[in-house]
Amino acid sequence: DTEVTQTPKHLVMGMTNKKSLKCEQHMGHRAMYWYKQKAKKPPELMFVYSYEKLSINESVPSRFSPECPNSSLLNLHLHALQPEDSALYLCASSPDRGPYNEQFFGPGTRLTVL
Amino acid sequence: TQLLEQSPQFLSIQEGENLTVYCNSSSVFSSLQWYRQEPGEGPVLLVTVVTGGEVKKLKRLTFQFGDARKDSSLHITAAQPGDTGLYLCAGAPGVGNQFYFGTGTSLTVIP
Repeated sequence: DTEVTQTPKHLVMGMTNKKSLKCEQHMGHRAMYWYKQKAKKPPELMFVYSYEKLSINESVPSRFSPECPNSSLLNLHLHALQPEDSALYLCASSPDRGPYNEQFFGPGTRLTVL
Repeated sequence: TQLLEQSPQFLSIQEGENLTVYCNSSSVFSSLQWYRQEPGEGPVLLVTVVTGGEVKKLKRLTFQFGDARKDSSLHITAAQPGDTGLYLCAGAPGVGNQFYFGTGTSLTVIP
């Protein structure tokens, strides 16, 4: 099973709303990632969790708050977003073991901020 | 920063034609992945290459990892409309858990 699931598939929110994106994997992977992607551009790394601890934060604004409740789950809490935050948000996971490392992506959440 | 440059950036071809996409870097990677992504969906992993000079085939797709593990290519034979999408390469340096993405190649195959 190489599946990463994400919910919701689509999300529309106002600038004053609070919402959360959810991600789940059951591959036993120990690294999980949040990316932001604009159309026809490569994904931009936001956060990396390794063994449930935040290991990389790519200077993401504080209106994005990640959370890793356990090794299978990853959340992204959203608050007071701006219209320019509208994008496809991707979750990914990787084994985080040794040099042979590969990433598997979820289907993404299409976020629209009004 | 470990940059991966892809070329071409955009490619529009007729069904049945062959094409090659390149992924180049000045950095060495322990493994390199190729993904295909359709609009509004997540990238789907096509292949991982780990050995310098390695060649992998996936039906009409042929992937090659450079001898020095700094570059890679994807060759598609007899392209079909279903091959349309954004092709991304991504390199893993072998230390840490970060991946570095290429600049992307948007492929359109016209029926």
